[in-house]
Amino acid sequence: AQKITQTQPGMFVQEKEAVTLDCTYDTSDPSYGLFWYKQPSSGEMIFLIYQGSYDQQNATEGRYSLNFQKARKSANLVISASQLGDSAMYFCAMRVGNGQNFVFGPGTRLSVLP
Amino acid sequence: SQTIHQWPATLVQPVGSPLSLECTVEGTSNPNLYWYRQAAGRGLQLLFYSVGIGQISSEVPQNLSASRPQDRQFILSSKKLLLSDSGFYLCAWRGQPSIGEKLFFGSGTQLSVL
Repeated sequence: AQKITQTQPGMFVQEKEAVTLDCTYDTSDPSYGLFWYKQPSSGEMIFLIYQGSYDQQNATEGRYSLNFQKARKSANLVISASQLGDSAMYFCAMRVGNGQNFVFGPGTRLSVLP
Repeated sequence: SQTIHQWPATLVQPVGSPLSLECTVEGTSNPNLYWYRQAAGRGLQLLFYSVGIGQISSEVPQNLSASRPQDRQFILSSKKLLLSDSGFYLCAWRGQPSIGEKLFFGSGTQLSVL
């Protein structure tokens, strides 16, 4: 069965510093996609970044980058130059093969301190 | 451009009452549609997904049901709500199947069953 683990319930980071949010996944399927979403207090889920299992390079989207270590089955999100608006819940998710289900981790609450 | 509408934003219902949450997508055809539930401070649990009109797959046995009467309409229902049905309900859609297609989420419905 597919599973996503996020071991950090909460993280604090100083404004303008970089922060890494951990995500490990479990699947035996060689074809999968990994996603990160941000959920501010308003509740909406905002897509941040995607990494495919066959992608040779780590994904980057502006201040977001994904540290993809396939052998370790980890897909950590790196946020550079944190801003106060980055304070939110962050969810790692995975979709396997042609499956319809996106499996989500329990999330990490990030608080950016001024 | 594609948009997803979900309503109501908040709902307070007594135990044993019926439920109907509606979700519609605009600007796309034949989307895959999803209902997720999020308990307070936790990750997302997939409840139902649909790949076409009248085609519903259930991931978790419960007293909820889903229907897709039109291509871009997805409805979550219950005949009798339980206290445990309280939570944040999110509708989402995905485009044509490919490993990289991300989920787009609605703004969510906060359901409180009293």
